[in-house]
Amino acid sequence: DAGVIQSPRHEVTEMGQEVTLRCKPISGHNSLFWYRQTMMRGLELLIYFNNNVPIDDSGMPEDRFSAKMPNASFSTLKIQPSEPRDSAVYFCASGLGDLNLYNEQFFGPGTRLTVL
Amino acid sequence: GDSVTQMEGPVTLSEEAFLTINCTYTATGYPSLFWYVQYPGEGLQLLLKATKADDKGSNKGFEATYRKETTSFHLEKGSVQVSDSAVYFCALFTGTASKLTFGTGTRLQVTL
Repeated sequence: DAGVIQSPRHEVTEMGQEVTLRCKPISGHNSLFWYRQTMMRGLELLIYFNNNVPIDDSGMPEDRFSAKMPNASFSTLKIQPSEPRDSAVYFCASGLGDLNLYNEQFFGPGTRLTVL
Repeated sequence: GDSVTQMEGPVTLSEEAFLTINCTYTATGYPSLFWYVQYPGEGLQLLLKATKADDKGSNKGFEATYRKETTSFHLEKGSVQVSDSAVYFCALFTGTASKLTFGTGTRLQVTL
């Protein structure tokens, strides 16, 4: 079975450009999470969805970041305009179950973003 | 709010050495506790979990016991292998927050 699929795996862009990261969760999962990982700040939860609805976006750093989940099988994280401090590895994870119960999160391989 | 504190890394051990990675937590209510592992170039994956006090989670030779009295969930392994080299994350979940709270991660390097 395919796991969580993220694309691209690597992205190099210049400051000011728009960046779109994509995620396909595991089929049948109803929760989706976007994380950012850096050496300085570790692993940060940016936003998560349950049944395609954003539940908590308090981790989104600023208005330059936006996330959508138009259907159960696809989500995007967009940065516009990008800045060098956005350079990080961005992970998508998915899970199955009720919102208030722990559901094991299955992580994708990540997208390594470099903003020059 | 909820938080997880892990020991600073990196931890460097020789193969077959005993491993302990400390983890303590602060949470409202009664959290479930987890260890996730991240191998080089990969995403995180669940290693083990414990859902109530005194539970012991175990997997692949790793163990951790949920200690409510000390709010701890230390990860142990009796004999590490080179293939255990990875970053280990302690995490907790409460129904109140409905999300995992991760520690900063501890890098383990095992040498021959």
